[in-house]
Amino acid sequence: AQSVAQPEDQVNVAEGNPLTVKCTYSVSGNPYLFWYVQYPNRGLQFLLKYITGDNLVKGSYGFEAEFNKSQTSFHLKKPSALVSDSALYFCAVRDDSTLGRLYFGRGTQLTVWP
Amino acid sequence: NAGVTQTPKFQVLKTGQSMTLQCAQDMNHEYMSWYRQDPGMGLRLIHYSVGAGITDQGEVPNGYNVSRSTTEDFPLRLLSAAPSQTSVYFCASSSPRTGGYGYTFGSGTRLTVV
Repeated sequence: AQSVAQPEDQVNVAEGNPLTVKCTYSVSGNPYLFWYVQYPNRGLQFLLKYITGDNLVKGSYGFEAEFNKSQTSFHLKKPSALVSDSALYFCAVRDDSTLGRLYFGRGTQLTVWP
Repeated sequence: NAGVTQTPKFQVLKTGQSMTLQCAQDMNHEYMSWYRQDPGMGLRLIHYSVGAGITDQGEVPNGYNVSRSTTEDFPLRLLSAAPSQTSVYFCASSSPRTGGYGYTFGSGTRLTVV
């Protein structure tokens, strides 16, 4: 069965410091991995995805994520955090057998303080 | 360029009432899904569809019905509302043409059952 774990409910980081939001996954086939961001009272916005190819994926707003097959991880990173990055971040996964279905983690609340 | 449109944005229901949450997309996407978001639970899949006339259950389908008579519309029906259905509901759509089947989300419907 497909599943996603985001081990940290909350991540706090100072503005200008690097940030990492962790995600591990479990799928039975080849993984397709996604990161979404949700600002207060808004829907989910797509940040980036890994389908195949380079393990380092670059996305919107300066975010990137590293796919690690051996550790089944897809951590979200940004070299220098902004206060405006404060939001709820979701990792999601599907595989070849789950057409039309994405499985989400519980979300990580990122707070960047000035 | 509307994307995924959900109506209403807010709704208060009494226990036992029924209602339909509307979802429409204008991107000709094959796949559509309904999720509910609850604090600390992430997004949980209620029902999904891989095309007109085809629907299937997700993780938490009890108390909800769906139908997909057209590619554009995917309404979610609450048969007899219960306080446990108080949640934020998101509709999303996707297509193989989007690369990896990444979802586009609507802005959500906040439902309160009293």
